Amino acid sequence: EAGVTQFPSHSVIEKGQTVTLRCDPISGHDNLYWYRRVMGKEIKFLLHFVKESKQDESGMPNNRFLAERTGGTYSTLKVQPAELEDSGVYFCASSQRQGGTYNEQFFGPGTRLTVL
Amino acid sequence: GQNIDQPTEMTATEGAIVQINCTYQTSGFNGLFWYQQHAGEAPTFLSYNVLDGLEEKGRFSSFLSRSKGYSYLLLKELQMKDSASYLCAAAGGGNKLTFGTGTQLKVEL
Repeated sequence: EAGVTQFPSHSVIEKGQTVTLRCDPISGHDNLYWYRRVMGKEIKFLLHFVKESKQDESGMPNNRFLAERTGGTYSTLKVQPAELEDSGVYFCASSQRQGGTYNEQFFGPGTRLTVL
Repeated sequence: GQNIDQPTEMTATEGAIVQINCTYQTSGFNGLFWYQQHAGEAPTFLSYNVLDGLEEKGRFSSFLSRSKGYSYLLLKELQMKDSASYLCAAAGGGNKLTFGTGTQLKVEL
């Protein structure tokens, strides 16, 4: 079974440009999460999709960030315009439908974003 | 608010036992996860505790005390490949995870 995949693995852009990150969750996983790790800090929650609906976007830093999950499959996270402080590693994770004892989140390898 | 504390670094000897502690303060507690992360790779699931007590899985065990807001990860028979960052994470509403900064474990000969 394929794991969570993310594209690209690395992205280097200039301040003011736009970048779109993509996450493909494990097939059949309704829950999709975005997290971010800024250098030297802990991994922080950004938002949570259940299928195509945003369940919780309380961690989104500001309106320069837009996440979508059309059709409830893959998700994109767009940063426009990018700022220096957006640099970090963006992780995506997915889990099965809620219910049962727990729902382990499977993480992708992350996209390392560098804004110059 | 949410707060997770764990040591930044630990060093241990191959074949030994090491315990990584984690304290947490969180609302809507839905369990405590431990993940392992090698540099440049995805965090991988190690364990989950939601009830008080010890969960054992091979060389790894995890303990939780909800009343004390405390967990630990115990690694036995350490191997060089266990050198990695160990992330403590508390699950809240919607199972969103609040992470600590991670404990960088170095296993030496």
